Amino acid sequence: QEQLVESGGGVVQPGRSLRLSCAASGFTFSTYGIHWVRQAPGKGLEWVAGISYDGSNKYYADSVKGRFTISRDNSKNTLYLQMNSLRPEDTAVYFCAKDSSGYSPFELWGRGTLVTVSS
Amino acid sequence: DIVMTQSPDSLAVSLGERATINCKSSPSVLYSSNNRNYLAWYQQKPGQPPKLLIYWASTRESGVPDRFSGSGSGTDFTLTISSLQAEDVAVYYCQQYYSFPYTFGQGTKLEIK
Repeated sequence: QEQLVESGGGVVQPGRSLRLSCAASGFTFSTYGIHWVRQAPGKGLEWVAGISYDGSNKYYADSVKGRFTISRDNSKNTLYLQMNSLRPEDTAVYFCAKDSSGYSPFELWGRGTLVTVSS
Repeated sequence: DIVMTQSPDSLAVSLGERATINCKSSPSVLYSSNNRNYLAWYQQKPGQPPKLLIYWASTRESGVPDRFSGSGSGTDFTLTISSLQAEDVAVYYCQQYYSFPYTFGQGTKLEIK
């Protein structure tokens, strides 16, 4: 069964860093692009970042560019999101999501991990 | 960036009746070289992650009931639920995957009247 499981969320002070992980299972991780999508409390979905199957291409929303870094370790079937210089407006549930091939929709989602940025 | 605008923001429909949600993109998400619309629809129930319903504007994801259908091309798209069931209460989002940054509509909350 295909599955994505996020971890690493928590409460962090503004300006600090946090690293999220997304563990994949049940499919050949190294052949799919993976993305991070976030949802602030009571709000809609915001795409944050995406990475190609081999890690050679990375894409970011303007709201996180220069602060967040997406990466993957295909030997560990794991996706990461390094979040630096966190702001209160980064508070959200962070989902990882798998696409089907290149420019394609998100066919599999994790259940998310909550990040709260607060002093 | 491609802007996705949904209407209405909320919708109340009686059980068994038709529900229609609209999504407009600016600019177009139709790729002329393959004549595909890079547009998806997702359903999100409270406390759950989004679920893919429709992609390429009108292709139903495996396992999605056939009461859900998508239509439209270019800049104007519609998600239709032909006969509303109680389990369809959710927030629905459209998304473009034509170009980065991928963008979502603001969501449409669907309730039972």
